[in-house]
Amino acid sequence: EIVLTQSPGTLSLSPGERATLSCRASQSVSSSYLAWYQQKPGQAPRLLIYGASSRPTGIPDRFSGSGSGTDFTLTISRLEPEDFAVYYCQQYGSSPDSFGQGTKLEIK
Amino acid sequence: QVQLQESGPGLVKSSETLSLTCTVSGGSMRSYQWDWIRQPAGKGLEWIGRIHSSGRTNYNPSLKSRVTMSVDTSKRQFSLNLSSVTAADTAVYYCARHVTLMGHDHWGQGTLVTVSS
Repeated sequence: EIVLTQSPGTLSLSPGERATLSCRASQSVSSSYLAWYQQKPGQAPRLLIYGASSRPTGIPDRFSGSGSGTDFTLTISRLEPEDFAVYYCQQYGSSPDSFGQGTKLEIK
Repeated sequence: QVQLQESGPGLVKSSETLSLTCTVSGGSMRSYQWDWIRQPAGKGLEWIGRIHSSGRTNYNPSLKSRVTMSVDTSKRQFSLNLSSVTAADTAVYYCARHVTLMGHDHWGQGTLVTVSS
């Protein structure tokens, strides 16, 4: 099983700032099958990024993903108040699918 | 717009079988894969398993001995059975659509299942 480790565990920033979240895999993620999800309290996760760097329709362009192999990054260029949430990375290239433990993005 | 809705008992007794159903609306089930994912309170996400619309399954090895999934495309439903449950199986259970290149693009709202002793 591929283990995903996210850092930091908690990130405290202010609206308007730039957020950089990291996801490191214990082995190479096949074909960049790496996704990022946003989860707010009481809600299901929402897909933000797939294939390491692609955005689904409707996701604002302030969200961007990069990386390959074992190191991946989610960047939020300018934080909006609604962006404060928990973010998970997931690999879906090797069975079983696995998720990182999450990064909580909180208002400073 | 594809929508998914979980249904089933919110309380299951220890050692019994947890059974949930996910109903899909607004889109076809064919040629997609359908997953169950769970999340204990205050914790992260755990992938339980996947079923293709053809009926082919793939389960997480950590749960494989206790998991059974099935699909009924005519009813637009797929189901999860998890046997011999313990308190450790208490969680919010989500159903989700899995797209090979995209991951989980549509999710249900989640349903809390509590295992009681």
